[in-house]
Amino acid sequence: GENVEQHPSTLSVQEGDSAVIKCTYSDSASNYFPWYKQELGKGPQLIIDIRSNVGEKKDQRIAVTLNKTAKHFSLHITETQPEDSAVYFCAASSYKLTFGKGTLLTVNP
Amino acid sequence: NAGVTQTPKFQVLKTGQSMTLQCAQDMNHNSMYWYRQDPGMGLRLIYYSASEGTTDKGEVPNGYNVSRLNKREFSLRLESAAPSQTSVYFCASSEVGGNTIYFGEGSWLTVV
Repeated sequence: GENVEQHPSTLSVQEGDSAVIKCTYSDSASNYFPWYKQELGKGPQLIIDIRSNVGEKKDQRIAVTLNKTAKHFSLHITETQPEDSAVYFCAASSYKLTFGKGTLLTVNP
Repeated sequence: NAGVTQTPKFQVLKTGQSMTLQCAQDMNHNSMYWYRQDPGMGLRLIYYSASEGTTDKGEVPNGYNVSRLNKREFSLRLESAAPSQTSVYFCASSEVGGNTIYFGEGSWLTVV
């Protein structure tokens, strides 16, 4: 089955800096790669996703890149704000989503 | 628009007790899921239902049973709770398998 590795497990940045979270996957059949944000006490919420026919996707301050050859994808958050502090999960899917273990992002004011 | 609704929000059980977590979605989705979340372990799939009338085991199904009652509802049952089942449980749904999953707000379960 699919295996998704996510790094780093914790990330601390200063407000205004950029944050990058990286994931690798094992199943070359995976074709859908969403990213979720989970705030304390809440369920995960989709923030951006990318499909295998696209190399990069951007939505305001967040972007995701995908390298299918290397089987890795990354989340980039620019101009970080304190409200970006949360746990972020990557996932990969061919017919069923498999999640990474999460990254705790802390943005210090 | 409620999305995915799960109950109860919090529950404390004694070892050996049974309970059912209820989940309902109002998005007319075909697929539904139950995950558990433990510190450092991410989200692990317990059971899923690809469509009404079908259920399949996920990564960690032992100690759980599920029922897809109809297209809207998918329940998770613990027949004899164990301390190892202390966790946060999330119900989720998607239009079809492999697509965007929408999560409920979670159920915090403690087994003492």
